[in-house]
Amino acid sequence: KAGVTQTPRYLIKTRGQQVTLSCSPISGHRSVSWYQQTPGQGLQFLFEYFSETQRNKGNFPGRFSGRQFSNSRSEMNVSTLELGDSALYLCASSFVGGANTGELFFGEGSRLTVL
Amino acid sequence: AQSVAQPEDQVNVAEGNPLTVKCTYSVSGNPYLFWYVQYPNRGLQFLLKYITGDNLVKGSYGFEAEFNKSQTSFHLKKPSALVSDSALYFCAVRPVDTGRRALTFGSGTRLQVQP
Repeated sequence: KAGVTQTPRYLIKTRGQQVTLSCSPISGHRSVSWYQQTPGQGLQFLFEYFSETQRNKGNFPGRFSGRQFSNSRSEMNVSTLELGDSALYLCASSFVGGANTGELFFGEGSRLTVL
Repeated sequence: AQSVAQPEDQVNVAEGNPLTVKCTYSVSGNPYLFWYVQYPNRGLQFLLKYITGDNLVKGSYGFEAEFNKSQTSFHLKKPSALVSDSALYFCAVRPVDTGRRALTFGSGTRLQVQP
């Protein structure tokens, strides 16, 4: 079974630009979450999508947005990039059902550098 | 709000010796607890989880963790460390009763196993 696939793996942008990151979950997983990882702040929850609806959102400004498609693939977008947005962006998928105890399965991440 | 503390930034252990990586948590109600490992430039890999039942949980690669409700701890252990275990380890928690799948992560502990 293929794992969580994130594209692109690496990208460089300049301040003020916008970026779109893509995530394909494990087949059968309908929940997709996004996390930002930085050396200073660690791993921080961005948002979670399930059935094309945002279910939860972390404490990030409105420049960070996302969406989920009917095939459970997800994209996140960051507009008006700032230097502080440089980070590893991790996507995770999980199976939803039963007692809802499913762990998250993470992709390799998209490393964004903002110059 | 929930939180996770990993009091040690780094743990050093000799190959073949037992290792312990500490984690304490704070959550309203009962917790789901997880351990993840991250190798350089990679995403997070799931190691093990505590949902309910036996306080000693066994996971991947010979790792295990002990849930202690009175001490609100979930320490990761391995009887005999390998050099290949050297990586960054994250403890994570989410409350049982909210239905939210978002995880709150600790700051991570770097495990260094010397040959």
